[in-house]
Amino acid sequence: ELKVEQNPLFLSMQEGKNYTIYCNYSTTSDRLYWYRQDPGKSLESLFVLLSNGAVKQEGRLMASLDTKARLSTLHITAAVHDLSATYFCAVDMRQGAQKLVFGQGTRLTINP
Amino acid sequence: NAGVTQTPKFQVLKTGQSMTLQCAQDMNHEYMSWYRQDPGMGLRLIHYSVGAGITDQGEVPNGYNVSRSTTEDFPLRLLSAAPSQTSVYFCASSYSRQGYGYTFGSGTRLTVV
Repeated sequence: ELKVEQNPLFLSMQEGKNYTIYCNYSTTSDRLYWYRQDPGKSLESLFVLLSNGAVKQEGRLMASLDTKARLSTLHITAAVHDLSATYFCAVDMRQGAQKLVFGQGTRLTINP
Repeated sequence: NAGVTQTPKFQVLKTGQSMTLQCAQDMNHEYMSWYRQDPGMGLRLIHYSVGAGITDQGEVPNGYNVSRSTTEDFPLRLLSAAPSQTSVYFCASSYSRQGYGYTFGSGTRLTVV
């Protein structure tokens, strides 16, 4: 059974600081997704990581995937208040079907 | 281009009632899925479909039925609502080709009393 664990689950940080959210998963997979969710809203796709060593960046967010370590990271650089949200990683259970298993989510609060 | 459209946005049911949550996408996506989101648990897969006429169970399928008669539509049926089904339900769709993430609908907040 595939399990996906994120840490931390809650993160409060100041604007301008850097931080990293970690996503560990329990079985082999080479497809990992990061989503953002604002309170009461739907999920917005941030990154799709498809191979070992994949790195993608969008603005102040950068995601990476290490399939050998079964670990993905979401790095936030010089955080701004607008990045406050809940971030989810999700791992594909099986190729060809896109059955996603989600982590518990990391609630990120960025204080001015 | 509407994306993934879910209806209704809010619903209150009495225990034992049945209902259908509607989901439609206009992007010609092959894959469609239903997830439920409960506090502190992330999203869990209920049922999914890889194409018209093909459906399969996810992690938490009990109490729910699905069908996919067309590429565009993927309704979720609650057979006999229970308080444990109080949740936010999200429909999602994607291309089958690698490199695409899921597009999620806006969600249906369901309360069973």
